[in-house]
Amino acid sequence: EPEVTQTPSHQVTQMGQEVILRCVPISNHLYFYWYRQILGQKVEFLVSFYNNEISEKSEIFDDQFSVERPDGSNFTLKIRSTKLEDSAMYFCASRAADSNQPQHFGDGTRLSIL
Amino acid sequence: AQSVTQPDIHITVSEGASLELRCNYSYGATPYLFWYVQSPGQGLQLLLKYFSGDTLVQGIKGFEAEFKRSQSSFNLRKPSVHWSDAAEYFCAVFWGGTASKLTFGTGTRLQVTL
Repeated sequence: EPEVTQTPSHQVTQMGQEVILRCVPISNHLYFYWYRQILGQKVEFLVSFYNNEISEKSEIFDDQFSVERPDGSNFTLKIRSTKLEDSAMYFCASRAADSNQPQHFGDGTRLSIL
Repeated sequence: AQSVTQPDIHITVSEGASLELRCNYSYGATPYLFWYVQSPGQGLQLLLKYFSGDTLVQGIKGFEAEFKRSQSSFNLRKPSVHWSDAAEYFCAVFWGGTASKLTFGTGTRLQVTL
């Protein structure tokens, strides 16, 4: 069964550094998402992406964040200047064209900011 | 505002006992409803979904959930819990729109005693 893959599984970065989290969505999916989960808290929506542009973003997704689909397979989340509070598990998800299809999640990238 | 409530933060059941995890959602329109499971250090695995039709839906691993419109609820059930079911369970809601996000509940941590 096709799956969403995320790399790396764990990223440790110094505060103030840039970090790029990578995702390979399921190949025929058209909608892409990033969520985050701070330790012990619920999963929160960051951004959705469709047709090479952001469809919706949350208040968490400020100017420090950006997303890109640089080629036909990858979907990346960039944090320009990381803060301690960016430490979290980041999940990528993708969905097929039909709105009655569920989002499929990757295993996440655990981001630790020192 | 759209919200999802899982009133039970932590539930402990004995192996072989039945299980019901509660989920309630706000907002007037009938949403699409999901249950995801997260094992420690893992990603989010879809257990089941409800879009329309029969209000009792079957999922993987022997789980089922019932949508009750009058109660704005989508409770997850399993008749006989196995030790491997110990995990965190998230209810999630999608209110429609082409690229709309999932809104997650705060999760219920299930502990299974032998």
